Amino acid sequence: DAEITQSPRHKITETGRQVTLACHQTWNHNNMFWYRQDLGHGLRLIHYSYGVQDTNKGEVSDGYSVSRSNTEDLPLTLESAASSQTSVYFCASSPRGFGEQFFGPGTRLTVL
Amino acid sequence: DAKTTQPNSMESNEEEPVHLPCNHSTISGTDYIHWYRQLPSQGPEYVIHGLTSNVNNRMASLAIAEDRKSSTLILHRATLRDAAVYYCILRDVPRLIKAAGNKLTFGGGTRVLVKP
Repeated sequence: DAEITQSPRHKITETGRQVTLACHQTWNHNNMFWYRQDLGHGLRLIHYSYGVQDTNKGEVSDGYSVSRSNTEDLPLTLESAASSQTSVYFCASSPRGFGEQFFGPGTRLTVL
Repeated sequence: DAKTTQPNSMESNEEEPVHLPCNHSTISGTDYIHWYRQLPSQGPEYVIHGLTSNVNNRMASLAIAEDRKSSTLILHRATLRDAAVYYCILRDVPRLIKAAGNKLTFGGGTRVLVKP
């Protein structure tokens, strides 16, 4: 069955380190998204991509970057992790156009 | 993006219907009404969406007011597995493939508690 996976599921890192969270989908969806979820907030969009070599900033993109070299993967990189980036991160994908979004299981990141 | 207003929480008894209201008084003519839910420790999942007419699927029904300024998600027979946070989201139809309408803007949602 097609699916969307995230790795790692849990990560503890130190302030200042570079961290990369992986997202992989097997639906061949054009659109991929990264959100973060914090207590007291709904999900907030970090970055999104509508296809290979396309990336766009969301509402909370500072300190994060993404690259899209193929259809299946959209890795999220924290250039220099900060404690404020402790959160649960969700990746999602959707078909081209107006399709529903399918979410991954999430990655819980703790920055000490 | 047009905003939605939902109650913070609702309680229901198992096997009874649940009606989740959503107000969206600034909705535009091209906004679709989407509902997603998030079960504990999981990512959100799509529930249903509609534009003007009421919609039914295997998970729920969506009742849309005639003036489209409000809508109600109906879970016909709540089960313990329906305990989740339910999000009402407005999405504009993208005129271009790259249009921003493909994004989801999540509010606080309604936390549904189902009692056995």
